[in-house]
Amino acid sequence: GQNIDQPTEMTATEGAIVQINCTYQTSGFNGLFWYQQHAGEAPTFLSYNVLDGLEEKGRFSSFLSRSKGYSYLLLKELQMKDSASYLCAVDTGRRALTFGSGTRLQVQP
Amino acid sequence: GAVVSQHPSRVICKSGTSVKIECRSLDFQATTMFWYRQFPKKSLMLMATSNEGSKATYEQGVEKDKFLINHASLTLSTLTVTSAHPEDSSFYICSARTSGASNEQFFGPGTRLTVL
Repeated sequence: GQNIDQPTEMTATEGAIVQINCTYQTSGFNGLFWYQQHAGEAPTFLSYNVLDGLEEKGRFSSFLSRSKGYSYLLLKELQMKDSASYLCAVDTGRRALTFGSGTRLQVQP
Repeated sequence: GAVVSQHPSRVICKSGTSVKIECRSLDFQATTMFWYRQFPKKSLMLMATSNEGSKATYEQGVEKDKFLINHASLTLSTLTVTSAHPEDSSFYICSARTSGASNEQFFGPGTRLTVL
């Protein structure tokens, strides 16, 4: 089966840095995605990693280690609007995505 | 990026009725679209893969006679929830991938279904 694990909830302070971890064990691997989802809305794309290493995009960075089945999403200079759920998803080769349970991030003043 | 639309965005219906949700790729052709459902505070669960011109592929535990999927064109897939019950109340989201080498998946805005 497919197994994707993320922490359920995290809390951080405005202006700080937060790292959201994701570990996966899947039957196949064609890449890992991170999405942001605000309540009642569809997920929006944040990042995609298929090779090991760090991908940086503005305040957001994502890291992948395929040998360890591990990824993290790093959010810098946190803003209140970053309060949302962050979904880790793996393309197992079926073209559809398998999602983790999501991490609800609460940014406090 | 590519745009995917869904209609309606929100629907309330009586138990026993059927509801059709449309998913359209607005500026690209999608031979494959995906239907997910999401319960409150839960993540997205794949329901089925919709293939243009052929039968949909359903995930284990998803009743194909209850959730009818039609992918009649390269830009439109529909999900019909038949004989809806309150437990079908959920957030339904479709997504599509472009036909190129990119692995990016584009999501529609979702449809909130409430069955009374």
